[in-house]
Amino acid sequence: GAVVSQHPSRVICKSGTSVKIECRSLDFQATTMFWYRQFPKKSLMLMATSNEGSKATYEQGVEKDKFLINHASLTLSTLTVTSAHPEDSSFYICSVVSRATRLPSYEQYFGPGTRLTVT
Amino acid sequence: DAKTTQPNSMESNEEEPVHLPCNHSTISGTDYIHWYRQLPSQGPEYVIHGLTSNVNNRMASLAIAEDRKSSTLILHRATLRDAAVYYCILHGEYGNKLVFGAGTILRVKS
Repeated sequence: GAVVSQHPSRVICKSGTSVKIECRSLDFQATTMFWYRQFPKKSLMLMATSNEGSKATYEQGVEKDKFLINHASLTLSTLTVTSAHPEDSSFYICSVVSRATRLPSYEQYFGPGTRLTVT
Repeated sequence: DAKTTQPNSMESNEEEPVHLPCNHSTISGTDYIHWYRQLPSQGPEYVIHGLTSNVNNRMASLAIAEDRKSSTLILHRATLRDAAVYYCILHGEYGNKLVFGAGTILRVKS
């Protein structure tokens, strides 16, 4: 069964509005979650690392005021795209790391992704 | 940055084995070699990982060169459901992060 869920799976919003995407870890407590974005026919680009109870760490070039990340519990992280514009249209994917296995040899579990379209 | 090099695309016939190569000549001693795959319109899926020895699981086998500068993901009998983008990733240098390259598009013909 699914280890990670994302909601919604697909969302269309108007330019200037904000959209919240949820990522839930279903099977275990996730101290760390990651957020990626993926443009059509491109690879995944890491946006930020979300740590439970602390501020997210953003990758270079990612606007933290535009992509708000909240990791309020060990099973939920949210990504809010604020004042969305058409260029924010993308496939957003989260992944989780089990609290018990944080060594380099662990596997990461990915959510099914959220397709955001900004009109 | 430790990087990987993979062919852009490969093609296989159904029911035949597939060998997906990955070069990582700048791998460090603590880097694990991870493979993930991504089916169309889905999030990536873990396939296998290893450090020095060859590894087998229910999905695939991972053959690691003795000098660790290259590895090969082996799908023993390709099915149409194996058509995906396969990513070879070195993990360890960036802590918890996974840094995805372009990957290899695997096409499976019936």
